[in-house]
Amino acid sequence: QVQLVQSGAEVKEPGSSVKLSCKASGDTLNTYTITWVRQAPGQGLEWMGRIIPMLGIKNYTQKFQGRVSLTADKSTNTAYLELSSLRSDDTAVYYCARDTPAGSDAFDFWGQGTMVTVSS
Amino acid sequence: DIQMTHSPSSLSASVGDRVTITCRASQFIGTYLNWYQQKPGKAPKLLIYAASSLQRGVPSRFSGSGSGTDFTLTISSLQPEDFATYFCQQSYSNPITFGQGTRLEIK
Repeated sequence: QVQLVQSGAEVKEPGSSVKLSCKASGDTLNTYTITWVRQAPGQGLEWMGRIIPMLGIKNYTQKFQGRVSLTADKSTNTAYLELSSLRSDDTAVYYCARDTPAGSDAFDFWGQGTMVTVSS
Repeated sequence: DIQMTHSPSSLSASVGDRVTITCRASQFIGTYLNWYQQKPGKAPKLLIYAASSLQRGVPSRFSGSGSGTDFTLTISSLQPEDFATYFCQQSYSNPITFGQGTRLEIK
């Protein structure tokens, strides 16, 4: 059974950066794609990007180009999302999720989410 | 970007009711459509993938249909644990996009 465990809540000032982690167990990162999705309070789901650790491929949605970086450490089975130049509207719960083995961009296992609050 | 539109945005129903939620894509997406259930404070849960395939472990009262631009999620007989928000998601092209959700409430 795959499990994704995310790092704890963060409070950041506007203009700073945050780096979130997503540790996988029950399988290795090398075998699938990790996607990051965020959800602002009371809002819907917003896809931010994906990383395929085995291939070193990263895709980002244009909205976050230049501000977001996805990385993966295969030795610790951990994926990371770093978001820079934080603004108040980046306040959200950030989820990592695994793509199904079919690679169809359906997300069958999710982390518990990390709340990021951006406030001065 | 492909826009995904739910209807209705909210719905009140009773235990035992049959419920249908609709999702429309702003352009053709074939059957690259997935459905999720989300409860307050929890991560989304995959229910249906590829428009009509039931995810392992999901009760058979959930079903999905559609292709092209119009899709439906049906719950054949509502159970108390089904009251939640439901999201559709297209995986046809980048960026991946989700609908705004349908909130299913107890009548």
